[in-house]
Amino acid sequence: DAGITQSPRHKVTETGTPVTLRCHQTENHRYMYWYRQDPGHGLRLIHYSYGVKDTDKGEVSDGYSVSRSKTEDFLLTLESATSSQTSVYFCAISERAGGTNSPLHFGNGTRLTVT
Amino acid sequence: GENVGLHLPTLSVQEGDNSIINCAYSNSASDYFIWYKQESGKGPQFIIDIRSNMDKRQGQRVTVLLNKTVKHLSLQIAATQPGDSAVYFCAENIGGGGGADGLTFGKGTHLIIQP
Repeated sequence: DAGITQSPRHKVTETGTPVTLRCHQTENHRYMYWYRQDPGHGLRLIHYSYGVKDTDKGEVSDGYSVSRSKTEDFLLTLESATSSQTSVYFCAISERAGGTNSPLHFGNGTRLTVT
Repeated sequence: GENVGLHLPTLSVQEGDNSIINCAYSNSASDYFIWYKQESGKGPQFIIDIRSNMDKRQGQRVTVLLNKTVKHLSLQIAATQPGDSAVYFCAENIGGGGGADGLTFGKGTHLIIQP
C-alpha cells in the first residue's frame, strides 16, 4: 500500500453538507494527488500538490478544494456535496511529478455516497 | 466491489495459461507508460512501467510490449494464477514535460481466471 492511509474508508452524507477526506503518507514523497473513479471513466485527477501549501487543479476540480499543511497530509474538501460527487476517491503519491518516469502509488480509496 | 468492472471488457483465461491484455493509447507524443492492477475494494497497484525508448520490458511473470508505430501497449502475464483476477489498466504520460496532469488512465480490462 506504499504507506498511504485514506480516511474514512466509507462515508454517506447528505446533499449540501461539507465533507473532508484525508490522505496520510509515511513515504515523505513530495507529490500527492486526489483522483475519482467512476463507472465508464478512467481515473480522473481532481487536484494535486507538489509541496507543502503548493497545489494545483486537475481535470475535474469544480466543487472541490484541497489543502496541504504538512508533507504527510493532503486533504480533499467538498464544500457542499452533490449527488454527482458520489464516487470512489483515491489518493496517490509520487517521488517525482506523475508521468515523468515515476509511477503513482495509490491508497485503498474512500467510497463516498451523497444522498 | 469498488472498481469499475460493470462497464469493462472482460478477458477470461484458464489457470496456468498466459494472458495478454491490450491497451491503445491516444497520443504519439506520450513517452512513459504504466500498467496497474486493481482488485475489488482496493486501490490500483503498480505492476510495471516502460519508457518510449524501449520496446519491451520484463518483470516477474509480466512483460510489457510497446509498439509506437500503432500506439499499442500490451501486458503479458505468464502462467496465470487465481490471484491475477483483477481489473488491469494502462496509463500514459501525454504531457511530455511532466506534471500531474500529464498522466491519463485507460478504463481497463477485467481479467477472470477460470479454474
